[in-house]
Amino acid sequence: AQSVTQPDIHITVSEGASLELRCNYSYGATPYLFWYVQSPGQGLQLLLKYFSGDTLVQGIKGFEAEFKRSQSSFNLRKPSVHWSDAAEYFCAVAPRAGTASKLTFGTGTRLQVTL
Amino acid sequence: DAGVIQSPRHEVTEMGQEVTLRCKPISGHDYLFWYRQTMMRGLELLIYFNNNVPIDDSGMPEDRFSAKMPNASFSTLKIQPSEPRDSAVYFCASSPVRRGWGNTIYFGEGSWLTVV
Repeated sequence: AQSVTQPDIHITVSEGASLELRCNYSYGATPYLFWYVQSPGQGLQLLLKYFSGDTLVQGIKGFEAEFKRSQSSFNLRKPSVHWSDAAEYFCAVAPRAGTASKLTFGTGTRLQVTL
Repeated sequence: DAGVIQSPRHEVTEMGQEVTLRCKPISGHDYLFWYRQTMMRGLELLIYFNNNVPIDDSGMPEDRFSAKMPNASFSTLKIQPSEPRDSAVYFCASSPVRRGWGNTIYFGEGSWLTVV
């Protein structure tokens, strides 16, 4: 069965520092890959997605993610974190079925930013 | 576009009462999803529809839960009777179909349900 692992439950970084959030997946074939962000009391907002092509994907708010097939990973990065980035981040996968995408979410990583 | 619209945003109800959550998907989207988010279980897919037809309801926890989509612009998730363990955030989401590209799912802001 497919699964998504976010090994870090909680991460604290200083404002201005770089950030990397880890995501590993277990799937029969390379799935579609997503990162979502959820601010406190809010819904989920899509940061970026990988379908095919260039393995380095640019998203909104200065985030990027790199797909590494050999490691079954899709880690999220940001060169310089802002205090407003404090939120919960979810990695998600969906099958390349050609029809509906049933997202399977990781358990999330809560990011705290210190000033 | 207005995005996925959910109502109510917050609801507090007593155990045993019926709860109805509503969703308006993004116009033109063919798929509609209901997710539930809890601290213990994270984000779970409850049910999804394609062109108003329920496709997979295997995530619906039990018979107390039901979902309908009478038309392309409206869906409901009903809990009857409600129980305290149903307290969660319920998200509606919608998605277009783009074969060969995969689907990006857009989420509403959620309905925060508390059953006391």
